[in-house]
Amino acid sequence: GENVEQHPSTLSVQEGDSAVIKCTYSDSASNYFPWYKQELGKRPQLIIDIRSNVGEKKDQRIAVTLNKTAKHFSLHITETQPEDSAVYFCAAKSTARQLTFGSGTQLTVLP
Amino acid sequence: EAGVVQSPRYKIIEKKQPVAFWCNPISGHNTLYWYRQNLGQGPELLIRYENEEAVDDSQLPKDRFSAERLKGVDSTLKIQPAELGDSAVYLCASSSLLAGTNNEQFFGPGTRLTVL
Repeated sequence: GENVEQHPSTLSVQEGDSAVIKCTYSDSASNYFPWYKQELGKRPQLIIDIRSNVGEKKDQRIAVTLNKTAKHFSLHITETQPEDSAVYFCAAKSTARQLTFGSGTQLTVLP
Repeated sequence: EAGVVQSPRYKIIEKKQPVAFWCNPISGHNTLYWYRQNLGQGPELLIRYENEEAVDDSQLPKDRFSAERLKGVDSTLKIQPAELGDSAVYLCASSSLLAGTNNEQFFGPGTRLTVL
């Protein structure tokens, strides 16, 4: 089955700096890669996703890049703000299989 | 539009006791998922329903866990008997198979189970 690895497990940045979280996956059949943000005690919420026919997708301050050959994808947050502090999960899904989540990255944006 | 609803939000029980969780998905979503999320980890799928049919329950510990979605809408997840290692947050999610939805999964707030 699919195996998703996520790094780093914790990340601290100064407000205004950029944050990058990286994930790798094992199943070459995976074709959908969402990123979820989970604030403490709350539900995971989708913030951006990308499909395998696209190399990069951007939505305001967040962007995701995908390298299918290397089987890795990354989340980029620019101009970070304190409200960006949360746990971020990457995930990978193939058509036949379900979402497999990474272990999460605790992002702390320092004011 | 209401999101995914779960109850209870919190449950504390002693080991060997039974417990049940309830989920009401977003209206019209035919796919329903139950996940378990241990502290500091990502959600792990327990079971997936397409309408009332369980199409993927390979990760469900069937000796003590059971689930049902009798009318293809609400679902219940049961643990009997509970063990200490079952302490976790149990998340329900739903998605739609309609074109253009990207199969995005919407999560409920979860039920935090503590087994003493």
